[in-house]
Amino acid sequence: DSGVTQTPKHLITATGQRVTLRCSPRSGDLSVYWYQQSLDQGLQFLIQYYNGEERAKGNILERFSAQQFPDLHSELNLSSLELGDSALYFCASSEGGHPTSEQFFGPGTRLTVL
Amino acid sequence: GQQVMQIPQYQHVQEGEDFTTYCNSSTTLSNIQWYKQRPGGHPVFLIQLVKSGEVKKQKRLTFQFGEAKKNSSLHITATQTTDVGTYFCADLSGGYQKVTFGTGTKLQVIP
Repeated sequence: DSGVTQTPKHLITATGQRVTLRCSPRSGDLSVYWYQQSLDQGLQFLIQYYNGEERAKGNILERFSAQQFPDLHSELNLSSLELGDSALYFCASSEGGHPTSEQFFGPGTRLTVL
Repeated sequence: GQQVMQIPQYQHVQEGEDFTTYCNSSTTLSNIQWYKQRPGGHPVFLIQLVKSGEVKKQKRLTFQFGEAKKNSSLHITATQTTDVGTYFCADLSGGYQKVTFGTGTKLQVIP
């Protein structure tokens, strides 16, 4: 158990819909990262937040957005869903914003878009 | 953009054989992290390499950073069935902790 929690564990929805994935970081960790893992794309970095502010952006689509709240939990919002958005979405957290911080991954949310 | 390739993509070994995965980048790597993901699980941090030519060991695992910081390797001696999983390298060269994961090497150990 990494100490990072993600809800829900599974999500099945239809194309065009919008969903919200939730992540609670380890106690004391200020950074939250979001990743997308699909079979043909590997592990893709989406976005990072540090202490409530966006810190780094990766391959995140405009249809996707995220935020980190004052209690440090984070939400990833996916809208206008397409079949290709079906994937495993991981959240990770780390203690600081320094590039050498070890990341602790949550169990993931499996999103299926039908 | 930066690409981090890992070879091989898949590897099947007999239990007891050695295994090596290589992580190669098109640009100079900054800090390299290695992660292991068991089937159905999430990535778990193994180690971080920072310095050129650095070598670190964890029991049967040996991690190395290339002298030119363009490649890294993970070597497992005498594999066990518990080593099964996908091994990823990750580079933090993108500034502000933008992370680029390698393509991964899936290891299968045959008992």
